[in-house]
Amino acid sequence: NAGVTQTPKFQVLKTGQSMTLQCAQDMNHEYMSWYRQDPGMGLRLIHYSVGAGITDQGEVPNGYNVSRSTTEDFPLRLLSAAPSQTSVYFCASKPTGMISYEQYFGPGTRLTVT
Amino acid sequence: AQSVTQLGSHVSVSEGALVLLRCNYSSSVPPYLFWYVQYPNQGLQLLLKYTTGATLVKGINGFEAEFKKSETSFHLTKPSAHMSDAAEYFCAVSEELGGGADGLTFGKGTHLIIQP
Repeated sequence: NAGVTQTPKFQVLKTGQSMTLQCAQDMNHEYMSWYRQDPGMGLRLIHYSVGAGITDQGEVPNGYNVSRSTTEDFPLRLLSAAPSQTSVYFCASKPTGMISYEQYFGPGTRLTVT
Repeated sequence: AQSVTQLGSHVSVSEGALVLLRCNYSSSVPPYLFWYVQYPNQGLQLLLKYTTGATLVKGINGFEAEFKKSETSFHLTKPSAHMSDAAEYFCAVSEELGGGADGLTFGKGTHLIIQP
């Protein structure tokens, strides 16, 4: 199993550009989520999904859009990038309905918005 | 909402010395607690977790943590630090979000520095 994969690893955008961060998992996990990591802030939840066709907002959803058309994929879209979105983005997955289960994290995407 | 506090954004210890990373949480329900480690330029890897049962939890790489309900703490320890332990460590608590979902609330992280 590849686990949770993310592409690209690095990305530089100009303010106002759009892009999609890709996330895929091959563990048949229903729950997937996106976090952003900023220095001194830990990780904060952006959006999450409990299954195909179901998404919801986390702590910091503004400026981001998600959709979930398949169990495997959970892309994160930046519609109009802003410098405040410079961050490291992590995708994670786990089985739904098992709060004691750990989340499995991808390797991250380092995004810089100039 | 739940919260997690990690005391000390940076902790420095000598190789071979005891490692102690502190974590306190607030939760209105019995918590599920996790410690994750992040090596430079990598994702997060689970070190250990507490769900129910034994309050002393053993994890990978010689780490362990003790859940103390009365102190709302889940401190991480390792008897003897190794150079390879240098990394960022995150304490997290699992929180129900509704609709069958749950998410992690993270502390701000502690950067562990190992002095030779």
